Amino acid sequence: SQELEQSPQSLIVQEGKNLTINCTSSKTLYGLYWYKQKYGEGLIFLMMLQKGGEEKSHEKITAKLDEKKQQSSLHITASQPSHAGIYLCGADGARGAGSYQLTFGKGTKLSVIP
Amino acid sequence: NAGVMQNPRHLVRRRGQEARLRCSPMKGHSHVYWYRQLPEEGLKFMVYLQKENIIDESGMPKERFSAEFPKEGPSILRIQQVVRGDSAAYFCASSFKSHGGNTGELFFGEGSRLTVL
Repeated sequence: SQELEQSPQSLIVQEGKNLTINCTSSKTLYGLYWYKQKYGEGLIFLMMLQKGGEEKSHEKITAKLDEKKQQSSLHITASQPSHAGIYLCGADGARGAGSYQLTFGKGTKLSVIP
Repeated sequence: NAGVMQNPRHLVRRRGQEARLRCSPMKGHSHVYWYRQLPEEGLKFMVYLQKENIIDESGMPKERFSAEFPKEGPSILRIQQVVRGDSAAYFCASSFKSHGGNTGELFFGEGSRLTVL
């Protein structure tokens, strides 16, 4: 079965600093999803990456997919307190019909100090 | 347009009681997924349903757990004779298209947090 490892497990940064969160898969990545979760709340969809080399940005958050390395990175530029939360990566385990399950990493807890 | 609605948000049960968790998907979505998040663990897939059909329940424990998504009304995750190990956050997600084949973005609800005393 596929496993996703996120690093670091937790991160504390000063407001305004840049940061990167990594997600490494034990198997080939066919689709990679990034979500943000605040404690006691649901998951907020951030981005979905499907092709090797694909890069997407939304406001100050950029995600990339390195298919060869079976890895995705999430980069936040000029972090703000509103970026604080738990970032989860989720992956499709197979290409084509039949992949109904997303496998998730355990999350990276981000704290931003004003 | 309301998102995925789950209730109750918090539920406390004593060992041996039953827990029922409800999920109303986003308007227009006919695919529902249940995930469980145990303390200090990642989200784990439990079951995937379409209207009146269970498509994949490979992640759901064989005993005490059941799920349904009737033609009318919300999807329900039912846990019978709860034990302390069932304490977790249960998340429901829905999509417009089947998530199979890397299609269909999943929208998650805010979760139902079950505590078993």
